[in-house]
Formats: sequence, C-alpha cells, structure tokens
Amino acid sequence: AIRMTQSPSSFSASTGDRVTITCRASEDIGRSLAWYQQKGGEAPKLLIYDASTLESGVPSKFSGSGSGTDFALTVSSLQSEDFASYYCQQYSAYPVTFGGGTKVEIK
Amino acid sequence: EVQLVESGGDLVQPGGSLTLSCAVSGFTFRSHWMSWVRQAPGKGLEWVASIRPDGSARYYVDSVRGRFTISRDNTENSLFLQMKDLGAEDTAVYYCARLMGWTTIYDYWGRGTLVTVSS
Repeated sequence: AIRMTQSPSSFSASTGDRVTITCRASEDIGRSLAWYQQKGGEAPKLLIYDASTLESGVPSKFSGSGSGTDFALTVSSLQSEDFASYYCQQYSAYPVTFGGGTKVEIK
Repeated sequence: EVQLVESGGDLVQPGGSLTLSCAVSGFTFRSHWMSWVRQAPGKGLEWVASIRPDGSARYYVDSVRGRFTISRDNTENSLFLQMKDLGAEDTAVYYCARLMGWTTIYDYWGRGTLVTVSS
C-alpha cells in the first residue's frame, strides 16, 4: 500500500498566521490527493481534491499544491475555526490511504 | 442537506460480532459508492470497505477481509457493516462516507460510531 507521511504531526500557531502542512507519498500518485479537516468529535470535511481543487463551499484561504510525491496544504490566515486536525489521502491506487494527520493548535 | 448517521457501536468482547448501520438522507443513495472508514483512538484514518451503488461489488482492506461484510439497502437508504471475530485492533470510531461520483474521494462523512473491543 502507498504510505502517506504528514509533517509536522502537530504544531501551535496564532490567529492570522499563514501555515503550511506537508504530505509525502511513498510513490508517485500524480495529483490524486485530497485534504480533509476534522474538528474534535465531528465528521471529517473534504477541503481539497485533485491536489489543488477547492471543494464547493470551502473558503479560498485554503489552497493545495504539489504533484507526484510531495504535496502541501496552506491556510493563508488562520482563524479560530481552523484549529483542527488535517489529513491527506491518496486515491491513486487501492487501497486508498491516509496520512497520520496534523493537529493545528492555538499558540 | 446531506446527512449520514451511524449507529450500532458498542463494547464487545474479543471474538464477538457487531453490525453497524448508517442511515442517509439528502441525496440519491442508490447512485453513490459508499464506504466505511475507521479511526483508532489517537490514530489516523483507515479505509475499511467500499460498495458499488447497486451492491454488486465490494472491496475490503486486507486486515478485515473475511471478517467484515459491507452491504446496503437502497430501498431503505441504509449502509451496513457486519463485523465478526473482532479483536482489539478493530477498536475505533467507524465512519460512514459517501464517495464523490466514481472517484475514491470522500465528499460527505457521518459523525461516526464507536466500537470498543475489550474483555
């Protein structure tokens, strides 16, 4: 199975910060990558797919980039509602696999 | 509004069985692939199983194949996961998720139901 590695696993940031989370695939997945946000006790929410396509209704402060094995999710200006965990997922090959997650906490 | 509501999670002994259900509304259930995805305590997400819109094909992660069965009832807008021979490694929150079109992108998720395997 393709292994997805996210970094960092957690970090603290302040409201207004620009933050970037990275995700690396163990093999080339093209642009078959999605990003999800999960707040404590809630359902995961799709943010981005095809590496950089914003899901309908997701604010434009979220952006995705990358292809092949290296990807990134950027939040241009963190707001209180953005403190959450973020997961990447590859869907290039079965089984689909997820990264271990990145928890963004308030500094 | 799309809604997915899981139920059936419980505390079960090792070797036991359990069936999870997911009631959906707000979209044409019979037109979508559906999946179960789980999250062990403090861990990341793991795809468990998927089923075609008409139920004619089912796919499983290796660790559950032969023990878990995914099924659906398109007349009742419901998805199911029958689990047997449960072990501690199956302890997790189980999410029901809808796939976007014929992709393996999960565009809607439920809040999950907790399965705890312990004696």
